Amino acid sequence: DGGITQSPKYLFRKEGQNVTLSCEQNLNHDAMYWYRQDPGQGLRLIYYSQIVNDFQKGDIAEGYSVSREKKESFPLTVTSAQKNPTAFYLCASSRRLGGDTYEQYFGPGTRLTVT
Amino acid sequence: GENVEQHPSTLSVQEGDSAVIKCTYSDSASNYFPWYKQELGKRPQLIIDIRSNVGEKKDQRIAVTLNKTAKHFSLHITETQPEDSAVYFCAAADGLTFGKGTHLIIQP
Repeated sequence: DGGITQSPKYLFRKEGQNVTLSCEQNLNHDAMYWYRQDPGQGLRLIYYSQIVNDFQKGDIAEGYSVSREKKESFPLTVTSAQKNPTAFYLCASSRRLGGDTYEQYFGPGTRLTVT
Repeated sequence: GENVEQHPSTLSVQEGDSAVIKCTYSDSASNYFPWYKQELGKRPQLIIDIRSNVGEKKDQRIAVTLNKTAKHFSLHITETQPEDSAVYFCAAADGLTFGKGTHLIIQP
């Protein structure tokens, strides 16, 4: 299960606080992604980065921010502007298969609870 | 952007029977369609994928079919076993837009 790690596994925060979720990979993948998983909602893309120092918004970027200063790391900050932050967050990295297609490798996830 | 619809949301089959999960997509430019399996408490993992220049792909008990004209693709699992119980996700749009998932339950 190695290669892409997320920490911590469980995270609890008070409403109004920003919180940063860690994601690290040693697969030498160029692209990294953050997804949010809610029951019955599947996986929704928050942000993704195809190269260092560059990233793009996904479908639900509001209330989140990211940075990509190193190839191995793609931290996600859940800000106080995110109205419903309690969720399971999955980080992924991918190798390019050819053309514009990617096989994604997922981390174990962080379950964030905000009260 | 791409929209992926996945059905059914829950599927219960008897052990040994076949299971079929279907997905439709909206963007005709999509050309890569992976399927991921997520067991309870674990991360999603790729189990099979198909590209737009292929109509069908098989890997032992699992297969995926693609109909580009109708913009739908399906996952087929034959001779289902208890370890097939999981949530399955399809994806399109270069593998970045996911369906909402199907909870497959294998009844003993």
